[in-house]
Amino acid sequence: QKEVEQNSGPLSVPEGAIASLNCTYSDRVSQSFFWYRQYSGKSPELIMSIYSNGDKEDGRFTAQLNKASQYVSLLIRDSQPSDSATYLCAVNVTGGSNYKLTFGKGTLLTVNP
Amino acid sequence: EPEVTQTPSHQVTQMGQEVILRCVPISNHLYFYWYRQILGQKVEFLVSFYNNEISEKSEIFDDQFSVERPDGSNFTLKIRSTKLEDSAMYFCASSGLADPDTQYFGPGTRLTVL
Repeated sequence: QKEVEQNSGPLSVPEGAIASLNCTYSDRVSQSFFWYRQYSGKSPELIMSIYSNGDKEDGRFTAQLNKASQYVSLLIRDSQPSDSATYLCAVNVTGGSNYKLTFGKGTLLTVNP
Repeated sequence: EPEVTQTPSHQVTQMGQEVILRCVPISNHLYFYWYRQILGQKVEFLVSFYNNEISEKSEIFDDQFSVERPDGSNFTLKIRSTKLEDSAMYFCASSGLADPDTQYFGPGTRLTVL
């Protein structure tokens, strides 16, 4: 059973702080890792992808991947109230033309003004 | 910016009825997917579709479900005889040949089975 685990939260941070979201996965052959943001009642919106060990930065967002520890994280710097949402970690075990995503339950982030 | 579209946004049906959920993937994408999310639960994979055939399907995707690409733009999910437990948000997603890992989601169809 391929699992993706996230702390469901809620995670509450003050405006301007760094929010740190974590995710672990069970399948060692996982190749691709994604963070999606989901506002209440809306669809998942892609924030970042990461494929190699280390850090990947995009604006205020930094994704970190450690395949040995089967761990991926998302840092949000200078958090804004508009960042308040559920953050979904998704993992893709690629094989042939199969690219299904396995999602975690998500972490609810609240940024307080 | 190209986006995935879905219709209808909300579908209400009676148990046992057939429903068809429609999606228009991003125009140059070749990989198509359906996911569902029951209220308060995680997003779950249903099926992937490539080159006019199913690539993979989950245990949820039983004989009551089918997918079709009836023309060059639409991608549909049919549920033949709906059950109460089919009530969920259904998301269509697509990805392109250059980056098939990266999936973009449509706004979803909320299916309510009474």
